[in-house]
Amino acid sequence: QKEVEQNSGPLSVPEGAIASLNCTYSDRVSQSFFWYRQYSGKSPELIMSIYSNGDKEDGRFTAQLNKASQYVSLLIRDSQPSDSATYLCAVLGGGSNYKLTFGKGTLLTVNP
Amino acid sequence: DAGITQSPRYKITETGRQVTLMCHQTWSHSYMFWYRQDLGHGLRLIYYSAAADITDKGEVSDGYVVSRSKTENFPLTLESATRSQTSVYFCASRPDRDQPQHFGDGTRLSIL
Repeated sequence: QKEVEQNSGPLSVPEGAIASLNCTYSDRVSQSFFWYRQYSGKSPELIMSIYSNGDKEDGRFTAQLNKASQYVSLLIRDSQPSDSATYLCAVLGGGSNYKLTFGKGTLLTVNP
Repeated sequence: DAGITQSPRYKITETGRQVTLMCHQTWSHSYMFWYRQDLGHGLRLIYYSAAADITDKGEVSDGYVVSRSKTENFPLTLESATRSQTSVYFCASRPDRDQPQHFGDGTRLSIL
């Protein structure tokens, strides 16, 4: 059973701070990694994709991937109250497997 | 650009009834997926499809049936609804194996 683990939170940060969200995965041959944001009562929305080791930045968001450690993270700089949501880590396995495995999500609260 | 559309958005039915949830995408994406989301369980894969007429079971497929006669449609049927199938159902699609997938707005299903 391929697993994706996230801290459930809640993670609470003050407005303007950096929020750090972490994810580990068990399938060593995983190739593609995604972060989704889900507001309460809404559907998951893609915010970042990352495919190779290192950092990928998009605005206030930075995704970090370390395949050797089987670890992927999401940093949110200058956190805003509108960033308050559940963040889902999703991992695509290698080979012929085309199913995304999702973590259960981390609830982030940004306090004004 | 309509994207991916789920219908109905809300449905209330009784145990034992047959229910069909519709999913339609305008992108001509090859891959389509059905998930259910429940508190404490995260997103769980019900069924998935790599192309028209190709479907596979996910981790929680018992009690559900799918078909995919056309690329753009992927209906999910609960053959005889049970209370344990009360959930929020999300349909998703993506163009190829390694690209991120995008979600519909979801169907909130209550079975009394």
